[in-house]
Amino acid sequence: AQTVTQSQPEMSVQEAETVTLSCTYDTSENNYYLFWYKQPPSRQMILVIRQEAYKQQNATENRFSVNFQKAAKSFSLKISDSQLGDTAMYFCAFLTDSWGKLQFGAGTQVVVTP
Amino acid sequence: NAGVTQTPKFQVLKTGQSMTLQCAQDMNHEYMSWYRQDPGMGLRLIHYSVGAGITDQGEVPNGYNVSRSTTEDFPLRLLSAAPSQTSVYFCASSPWPLGETQYFGPGTRLLVL
Repeated sequence: AQTVTQSQPEMSVQEAETVTLSCTYDTSENNYYLFWYKQPPSRQMILVIRQEAYKQQNATENRFSVNFQKAAKSFSLKISDSQLGDTAMYFCAFLTDSWGKLQFGAGTQVVVTP
Repeated sequence: NAGVTQTPKFQVLKTGQSMTLQCAQDMNHEYMSWYRQDPGMGLRLIHYSVGAGITDQGEVPNGYNVSRSTTEDFPLRLLSAAPSQTSVYFCASSPWPLGETQYFGPGTRLLVL
């Protein structure tokens, strides 16, 4: 069975600073996809970034970037130039089989302070 | 394009009552799914569907039923509500299962007394 582990329950960062969220996963599959979702207080799940395992290049979306280490089964998210609107719960998610079953980590609460 | 919609937003039930959580999408997505979110546990898959007439169980299916008669709708039925089903429920859809981004609805908060 696949598992996703987010070891940091909460992280605090000041505005304009950088924060990195960790995520590790366990799988025997070779082809899979990884996602970071953001859940602000509104509760809406918002896709932040997506990584395909067969691509070596790390995905980036504006201030968000990932460090994908396939051999280490690690998928960390870096938020640069943090903004107050980045305050949210962040979930790492893993997708492997053809039936689209996302496996989520427990989440990391990010608090951005002025 | 409304995306994925869910109703109701909030519901209180008594133990033993039944109800249906509605989910609809207007993006012509084949894949739809239901998750529940509990504190400290992330989201867990309840049921999913890869097209009209095709459904299957996820990680935590007990106490829930689904059906998919149309591409647009994917209701989740609680047959006899229990306090353990108090949770936030999310519906999601994607155009194809593997690798595609899943788009989530706004969620339904359910409280079972």
